[in-house]
Amino acid sequence: EPEVTQTPSHQVTQMGQEVILRCVPISNHLYFYWYRQILGQKVEFLVSFYNNEISEKSEIFDDQFSVERPDGSNFTLKIRSTKLEDSAMYFCASRPMFDGYTFGSGTRLTVV
Amino acid sequence: GQNIDQPTEMTATEGAIVQINCTYQTSGFNGLFWYQQHAGEAPTFLSYNVLDGLEEKGRFSSFLSRSKGYSYLLLKELQMKDSASYLCAVRAGSYQLTFGKGTKLSVIP
Repeated sequence: EPEVTQTPSHQVTQMGQEVILRCVPISNHLYFYWYRQILGQKVEFLVSFYNNEISEKSEIFDDQFSVERPDGSNFTLKIRSTKLEDSAMYFCASRPMFDGYTFGSGTRLTVV
Repeated sequence: GQNIDQPTEMTATEGAIVQINCTYQTSGFNGLFWYQQHAGEAPTFLSYNVLDGLEEKGRFSSFLSRSKGYSYLLLKELQMKDSASYLCAVRAGSYQLTFGKGTKLSVIP
């Protein structure tokens, strides 16, 4: 069964550093998403991406966040200057035009 | 905005049936999803309802009443591996999901 793959599975970074989280969505999917889940809390929407541009973003997705689809397969989330409160599990998800969302296994980001 | 409520925790016995309820308030409703999430893992898709009624998929069924803003997930013949969090998520208007806080289900022998 096709999967959404995310790398790395764990990332530890120092406060103020930049991190890039990588995702390879399912190849025939059209919509791409980033969600995050702070430990013990609910899954929160960050951003959606369609047709090579951001289609929607939440209040969490401020100027320190950016997304890119640098080639036909990768979808990245960049956090420019990490803060302690950015520590969370980050999930990438993708979906085709008319179907459910498939989530990747996540990247656990720890900011120290 | 959207408001999604589900019980925080439930406990049920192996082999039994459990029903996890979800109520929501939203405008522009465009579908309700149930996901299973084991601790430290990604949410995995269980079911999707956009029209009123019951959708059955093996041991799992999901029901939706749009007029009442209500859904439930029914798990039959519970197994120990069903111990997990069950997330209710609503899609409204746009195409992103808004998740509830999840219901942590513990299955006991």
